Formats: sequence, structure tokens, C-alpha cells
Amino acid sequence: GAVVSQHPSRVICKSGTSVKIECRSLDFQATTMFWYRQFPKKSLMLMATSNEGSKATYEQGVEKDKFLINHASLTLSTLTVTSAHPEDSSFYICSARDIGALSYEQYFGPGTRLTVT
Amino acid sequence: SQQGEEDPQALSIQEGENATMNCSYKTSINNLQWYRQNSGRGLVHLILIRSNEREKHSGRLRVTLDTSKKSSSLLITASRAADTASYFCATDFPGAGSYQLTFGKGTKLSVIP
Repeated sequence: GAVVSQHPSRVICKSGTSVKIECRSLDFQATTMFWYRQFPKKSLMLMATSNEGSKATYEQGVEKDKFLINHASLTLSTLTVTSAHPEDSSFYICSARDIGALSYEQYFGPGTRLTVT
Repeated sequence: SQQGEEDPQALSIQEGENATMNCSYKTSINNLQWYRQNSGRGLVHLILIRSNEREKHSGRLRVTLDTSKKSSSLLITASRAADTASYFCATDFPGAGSYQLTFGKGTKLSVIP
């Protein structure tokens, strides 16, 4: 089946530093990947849509200069949290849509737990 | 953007019982999907039902969709302790770009052995 990996699974960083999270589709190509943020016991909030070879589309209220997204290939998208602050601590999940799929199904990565101290 | 709303927010049942979760949404949709999330993990796709379908089955899962009421239900029959997880509905709607999904708040299901 379609597998999406995320790295790292957990990261602890100091306030003011930047953190990069990778999202890879392992056995399929994805022109579109999505980045979500999930607060404890809450739903997923779409942050941005990442399109291979073009700029990401950010949802309202999400700072594009703070959450840098790069989708350089059909199997890799990265999210960089720049100048992280404690309020950026959250669970970040990516998902990918199979380039050949006709359905709206998304395949999700296992998530990255970010803690900013 | 619209948002699905699941109810109940939390559900606790005994192993072997059936679990029913509901989802409501606000605008017309193309498809509705149900996902499962184990604590601290990513989401696993369970089932997709199209707007022109009324019912769909997959193993112990049964999903219904009532577009007139803008609601869906997920039934898990003969529940097992391993079914303990949070369940989310997600919708995509006409006009949404790039196959975007909007997730509901989820139902946390606890199945007691």
C-alpha cells in the first residue's frame, strides 16, 4: 500500500532555532502534499498545500515566512519552522495524494512531534 | 471553509458491542471519508463514500451518507480493543483546490476488553 514517511518523528529545539521536517512518499509519486497541524485532542488544521515545482498555497492565518515549504520532487516535501517559539509546539502531519489516483484519498505520514523549549 | 462535526466527542463501549459515530457538515460535498488515528500517530484511511452513494461497507465498517441532512455515520460492528482510536470524518467540496480535505473534530472511541 501507499506509504508516507516523516522525519524526524520527534524533535525538541530551543526557542529561536529552525527545524526542518521531511515528508516522503515511499512507493508512489505525489504532485500534491499537504501539511497539517494538530493540537492535543483536536482535529487536523490544514496549514498549506504543497505542489511539486511551484509555490505552496497557505491557508488563511498561516505565516508563509514562518512555515517554509519546499516540494522539490515528486516524493519529497519539507516544512521548515523558522525561528521557532514555544507556541509552535505541536504535532505536524503531512499527507500525500497519489499522482495517479482518481479519488480524494490522502495517505498520511506518522507525524512529527515538535517541542520548542 | 466548512468543517465536519463528529458526535459524540467521546464514546466508551465494551468489546463486542457496536460503535456508531456521526458526522455533520455544512456545504455540498464531493466525497466524505473516514479516517482513524491512534494516539500520537498519523491517520489511516478507512473508507470513502461519494456524494451519490448512500451506504458502503468494508469489513466490520459500515458508512452511510445522507446528503439531504448533510450527515454521515460510521458503524463499527463487533468492536475490538484494537479499535480504540480517534475517528475523523473529512470532506472535500466543489471548488476546493488540489483535493483539499476538511476534517471534523473527531470522536475518541475507547473499547474496553
